[in-house]
Amino acid sequence: NAGVTQTPKFQVLKTGQSMTLQCAQDMNHEYMSWYRQDPGMGLRLIHYSVGAGITDQGEVPNGYNVSRSTTEDFPLRLLSAAPSQTSVYFCASSEWGDQPQHFGDGTRLSIL
Amino acid sequence: AQTVTQSQPEMSVQEAETVTLSCTYDTSENNYYLFWYKQPPSRQMILVIRQEAYKQQNATENRFSVNFQKAAKSFSLKISDSQLGDTAMYFCAFMKTGTASKLTFGTGTRLQVTL
Repeated sequence: NAGVTQTPKFQVLKTGQSMTLQCAQDMNHEYMSWYRQDPGMGLRLIHYSVGAGITDQGEVPNGYNVSRSTTEDFPLRLLSAAPSQTSVYFCASSEWGDQPQHFGDGTRLSIL
Repeated sequence: AQTVTQSQPEMSVQEAETVTLSCTYDTSENNYYLFWYKQPPSRQMILVIRQEAYKQQNATENRFSVNFQKAAKSFSLKISDSQLGDTAMYFCAFMKTGTASKLTFGTGTRLQVTL
């Protein structure tokens, strides 16, 4: 019973490098989201998807791209990493709108 | 836009005692959900309790209960018989209905349960 799986759990990048954070869920959930967690700021929504082929921006989308080619996967791409993107990233999913979200275990990303 | 405010950055409670965490929110919406999530040192985000705004009855889950005051836009979490395993960050979150499960979080309250 995997739920929401995020890989990797930790990553260190240099400024300017690109990277994809992976998120997969095995619950056949339509809704998936990416959040970032910074000290003293709670979690903030980056991008979300309401189904395969449909994505939209959240509160803090700049510097990040997403795509949703399958129901199961929702990768988050950093095209040119910046130190301001140092954070803990959470992926979440829910069966349909208005349902509580299931969260992955997070990815701690450090950008030097 | 909605905002969620948690005014207590840190709290401490002795084991077996009761503690209440505060949360207020600002919205012009009438239909929404409110949540409390727990984040232990393991970093997992664990749903503690959920409240539908249209329900007047306060939600309860075992030792966890809420005091939902819709007019005052207040949503506090009460933890009874506190246990060492309750030590964690607690986040209050708001979700407008029909918005693809998008959550707006507060900044969190760090709860320490002591012997």
